[in-house]
Amino acid sequence: DTEVTQTPKHLVMGMTNKKSLKCEQHMGHRAMYWYKQKAKKPPELMFVYSYEKLSINESVPSRFSPECPNSSLLNLHLHALQPEDSALYLCASTLAGTGYEQYFGPGTRLTVT
Amino acid sequence: GENVEQHPSTLSVQEGDSAVIKCTYSDSASNYFPWYKQELGKRPQLIIDIRSNVGEKKDQRIAVTLNKTAKHFSLHITETQPEDSAVYFCAERDGGTSYGKLTFGQGTILTVHP
Repeated sequence: DTEVTQTPKHLVMGMTNKKSLKCEQHMGHRAMYWYKQKAKKPPELMFVYSYEKLSINESVPSRFSPECPNSSLLNLHLHALQPEDSALYLCASTLAGTGYEQYFGPGTRLTVT
Repeated sequence: GENVEQHPSTLSVQEGDSAVIKCTYSDSASNYFPWYKQELGKRPQLIIDIRSNVGEKKDQRIAVTLNKTAKHFSLHITETQPEDSAVYFCAERDGGTSYGKLTFGQGTILTVHP
């Protein structure tokens, strides 16, 4: 398996909702990433997990809560989001210890109403 | 902090022509430079990369060159085809961590006209 998968593909949520995004890979990668991408902009790093431990939090608001339950799975829990949080949320993974060749999942298109 | 400048922001070429996109970076510790292609509504796709101990790398119609002294690297696409139309992002890897924080350029919208 050489893919990063993400669910759901699309998500519409209200500002009072709680939802979660899921990312999975079975390539043995031990570094996993969450990025946020606005239209016509590059991906912006949010979080990095290395060996299931949070290594980087790029000053992301607490309404985004990451979780890495095991080496193949990465979640992003969402609560009390704002309309400006609407974006494409991308997951990526790579071999830990190198950081080379980051492979992206297809993303979740999030709309906050 | 890391900074990557990418030019041009848009590039329009005729099918069969060559396309060149350039990026400059500021962090002398950067040691890895990938290029991603993103088609509309799709994921960024790694198309080629280069490490700091190499000056040039080719893969069929795509090549990347790196000038460490000048801190710039370029993507070259030869014999362009309409399916090359996409947004291209350069990136540089922070050499100070083992998990590879990438900093991206602002992107180049490439349009190849048939």
